[in-house]
Amino acid sequence: DAGVTQSPTHLIKTRGQQVTLRCSPKSGHDTVSWYQQALGQGPQFIFQYYEEEERQRGNFPDRFSGHQFPNYSSELNVNALLLGDSALYLCASSLGVGNVGEKLFFGSGTQLSVL
Amino acid sequence: DQQVKQNSPSLSVQEGRISILNCDYTNSMFDYFLWYKKYPAEGPTFLISISSIKDKNEDGRFTVFLNKSAKHLSLHIVPSQPGDSAVYFCAASVSGGYQKVTFGTGTKLQVIP
Repeated sequence: DAGVTQSPTHLIKTRGQQVTLRCSPKSGHDTVSWYQQALGQGPQFIFQYYEEEERQRGNFPDRFSGHQFPNYSSELNVNALLLGDSALYLCASSLGVGNVGEKLFFGSGTQLSVL
Repeated sequence: DQQVKQNSPSLSVQEGRISILNCDYTNSMFDYFLWYKKYPAEGPTFLISISSIKDKNEDGRFTVFLNKSAKHLSLHIVPSQPGDSAVYFCAASVSGGYQKVTFGTGTKLQVIP
């Protein structure tokens, strides 16, 4: 049973560029959340997708956008990259939206470096 | 505004002894608390949780204690094992809604053989 898979594992971009990160949820899961983990910090909630719609959003600018596809996979897009966007981006999947976090399964993340 | 705080960035413990990891929170709306463990190059994995209606939850070697009046929780690991060496994140959420989880900054635990 494949867990949460993210691609790519590492990415290097320059300021001003745009990036797309991808996530496939654990088999049987229909909800995807994205988190940003800066160096020395805990993961910070970006947004959550369920039924192909953004259901909740954290304190991130509109440069961060996402999408969920009918097969439940998801993309995270970041436009106009800043140096401060350098971080580990984690995808987490779950079944439904009603639980409180203990059923979140995380991928290994995409390490984004902005130069 | 850091709503979940872990003031100890690191902790070293001898194998077989107790590890105590602490966490404080500021948001009174939080009613569900979790601990996640993270190994290098892996995503966080859920470890143990506690609802605000309880003050203790135990799962094998792991026990979480919640003091609501102090807005404080702690994770006890007894006995500590070298395989427990990892970064531990305290986290909190509000039940009944979407599962936005607020994480602390983490405590790196090293269990010395």
